[in-house]
Amino acid sequence: GAVVSQHPSWVICKSGTSVKIECRSLDFQATTMFWYRQFPKQSLMLMATSNEGSKATYEQGVEKDKFLINHASLTLSTLTVTSAHPEDSSFYICSARGAGRVSYEQYFGPGTRLTVT
Amino acid sequence: LAKTTQPISMDSYEGQEVNITCSHNNIATNDYITWYQQFPSQGPRFIIQGYKTKVTNEVASLFIPADRKSSTLSLPRVSLSDTAVYYCLVGVFSSNRDDKIIFGKGTRLHILP
Repeated sequence: GAVVSQHPSWVICKSGTSVKIECRSLDFQATTMFWYRQFPKQSLMLMATSNEGSKATYEQGVEKDKFLINHASLTLSTLTVTSAHPEDSSFYICSARGAGRVSYEQYFGPGTRLTVT
Repeated sequence: LAKTTQPISMDSYEGQEVNITCSHNNIATNDYITWYQQFPSQGPRFIIQGYKTKVTNEVASLFIPADRKSSTLSLPRVSLSDTAVYYCLVGVFSSNRDDKIIFGKGTRLHILP
């Protein structure tokens, strides 16, 4: 159990366009979802926390108008990178946690590799 | 989360036991020690958690001395597939829905044939 999927697994887009990444919890209801980004050879950096039905809480330094997060249901969260630029190229990973679960009981998706040309 | 320090990288050979030590001098009474594993181009996965002494599961063992200021993740008889980054995290890990996981730099383990 506790499977989290992401779609797409990789995407290439042109500079200036927007890209949407989906994160789904397949077999549990995720009251909280997290979005991370990871550059090559670096650690995961938390971008934002989203609770179902609430606005996302962004970490310091993350532009909320550029990285739009929608957690519209208990099984789906989306991250939209708006007006993408080459520096947004990264590995984006989501994670999900069920109601009442402690924080280490969050399950990570396989990641989405974004390349902006 | 308490600050942790772990080696940036380690190399070992197949069949060896690998021990990765994490220092957490400022660990608080209510803190737990949790380790994650991340394979290349994949999301991390939880591997083990402990509070004191020793914890063992099918993947690894975690040794925590009495003062809890450090911990050692032990991987028995590693194989090439154990090549990954291993993250040590220390915190309360509550069920508060705003409680979040912040990853440090981790230890990049490279297993050689």
